[in-house]
Amino acid sequence: GQQLNQSPQSMFIQEGEDVSMNCTSSSIFNTWLWYKQDPGEGPVLLIALYKAGELTSNGRLTAQFGITRKDSFLNISASIPSDVGIYFCAGHQGGSEKLVFGKGTKLTVNP
Amino acid sequence: EADIYQTPRYLVIGTGKKITLECSQTMGHDKMYWYQQDPGMELHLIHYSYGVNSTEKGDLSSESTVSRIRTEHFPLTLESARPSHTSQYLCASSESGWVFGDTQYFGPGTRLTVL
Repeated sequence: GQQLNQSPQSMFIQEGEDVSMNCTSSSIFNTWLWYKQDPGEGPVLLIALYKAGELTSNGRLTAQFGITRKDSFLNISASIPSDVGIYFCAGHQGGSEKLVFGKGTKLTVNP
Repeated sequence: EADIYQTPRYLVIGTGKKITLECSQTMGHDKMYWYQQDPGMELHLIHYSYGVNSTEKGDLSSESTVSRIRTEHFPLTLESARPSHTSQYLCASSESGWVFGDTQYFGPGTRLTVL
């Protein structure tokens, strides 16, 4: 099946630093979604992107739908300890009802 | 804010028991999904439904079954639980529609341990 390559796999940063992670694919996607998951909980939707080139912010989070429709990135500015968790990208291709998920980026923030 | 609920949140049972994991949503979404996820790992789709009386198997083979008798309710059943079924089970839903139907909202999950 289709795969999303999400990187980096893990990140260890200091509080206050900015963070960037991305997802790429060899195929075109119509929708890009970014989720955050805390241990023992379900993924929570952070940002949804529906249009190539779209740049959307949600507080300290900013995500972009790549112009080629094959990639997306998520930036977190001025990280805080509660940003700790696993961030998943997900995409939807035309002709399929299913979401394709990345393998996640585990973020650790040191106070 | 998504209104999707799962019960129980945690379940520890013995091998051979029959269990049903409950999932309900109050958003009127037509589409519902079940995923299986080991801690810190990727999500695997095991079942999905596009509406009442519609169910399909997902990408990951599962011994569980599902039903969709009401729009808001999508329970998952294991007839005879085994230790290999130990995992986190996540329910999700999305609305119909060409664009926004892609956006799935997740419940809090059920952490299942089979002894």
